[in-house]
This record gives sequence, structure tokens and C-alpha cells, in this order.
Amino acid sequence: QTVVTQEPSFSVSPGGTVTLTCGLTSGSVSTSNYPSWIQQIPGQAPRTLIYSTNTRSSGVPNRFSGSILGNTAALTITGAQADDESDYYCVLYVTNGISVFGGGTKLTVL
Amino acid sequence: EVQLLESGGGLVQPGGSLRLSCAASGFAFTSNAMTWVRQAPGKGLEWVSCITTGAATYYADSVRGRFTISRDTSKNTLFLQMNGLRAEDTAVYYCARNNRGVASPDYWGQGTLVSVSS
Repeated sequence: QTVVTQEPSFSVSPGGTVTLTCGLTSGSVSTSNYPSWIQQIPGQAPRTLIYSTNTRSSGVPNRFSGSILGNTAALTITGAQADDESDYYCVLYVTNGISVFGGGTKLTVL
Repeated sequence: EVQLLESGGGLVQPGGSLRLSCAASGFAFTSNAMTWVRQAPGKGLEWVSCITTGAATYYADSVRGRFTISRDTSKNTLFLQMNGLRAEDTAVYYCARNNRGVASPDYWGQGTLVSVSS
């Protein structure tokens, strides 16, 4: 069974930079997994920030960027703001039409 | 503007059925695969099912054989027929548009709540 791994929690200072990662227990993440990053403020619908590794969704500030770092997908927030405090999920395409979400990272800005 | 609007959620007894709908607008519905994702109370997002532009369908192990995804291109609507519902199917169900084949959801609906309880 494929498991997608994320840090359960992370904290960053306002104005700081943070990198969240998304890995696979079965191997390395590549662009062929089309990693996407989804932001969800509790009580609200999900919002995609980044799809297909590094494409920013419409209206997403350029302080959010996606990449492959080593064997993981990464979401970097540069110049974190208070309203970036949220849950962040990655989703990876794994095989045969199936995608899998990570467990999410709760980001605190303080 | 891409818009996705889910409907059809509600309270159902274990073993019952529901059909969810997702009305799509603002894009060429026939050009994108579509996905259902759910979120149980207090839990993370879970991928449920996907349908391609060619109507190929894919399911998570947890719902295969009980749920059926379909689309009506004449009505720009995505469906999820849910049979044999269990308490663990209780969740908010979201539809999402895929940007890269069956991968990379880029737009989401607001969700519809399904509660399975006696």
C-alpha cells in the first residue's frame, strides 16, 4: 500500500521561509507523480496552490513555490504571513489512475 | 470563472444509498478528468474516485464495488452513486477538476456533507 508522507506540523516566524515536504514510502517522488499542494483553512473548502509540481494556481501569491527536492516534492513559502497559517496537503498520482493524499501538515505562523 | 457546486448530501442509514452531483461551469467540461475527494470529520483529505475524459473510472480500495462515478456531458454534471453506505463513509465530499490527465486537481467545489448513521 502506497503511503504519502508529510510532516505533521511545522512552525515559521512571520516573514520567514519554510519548506514542507511530501514523500513516498515506496520510493522517490518525481514529476511523473504530478505533485499538487492544497491549502485548507479549517472549516473551508480546499484550495489548490500548486499543481503539476510547480505550476501556481490562478491568484496564488508568488511567495508559494513548488519543486522536487531530492526524493521528495516540496512546497516553499517565502516571507510567511499570518494568514498562511493553515493545513497543507500534498497529493501524488501513484498508478493506474489512483492518487493518494498525504496526511497533511499543520503550519503555525508565530 | 471555474465553478463546481456539489449537492445531494444528507443523512442516510447504514446500508443505504445516495447520489451526489457536481454541477460544473466556466470551463469545457469534456476536456478535463474529474475527481471526488472526501474528508471525514476532523480528518485529512482522502482521494475517492476519478473519471477521465474518455469515461474510464478509478476507485480507492475503500469504496471500490460500492461507489460508481459517472458524468453527463450534456448537463456538465459529475455524479457519485454511493451504495452500501457505512458509518466510515461519513464525510464532506468534494468534487475537483483535474488539470493533468487524472492528476493534479486545480479547482474545488464547496463540498456536500454525507452522514451515515442509524
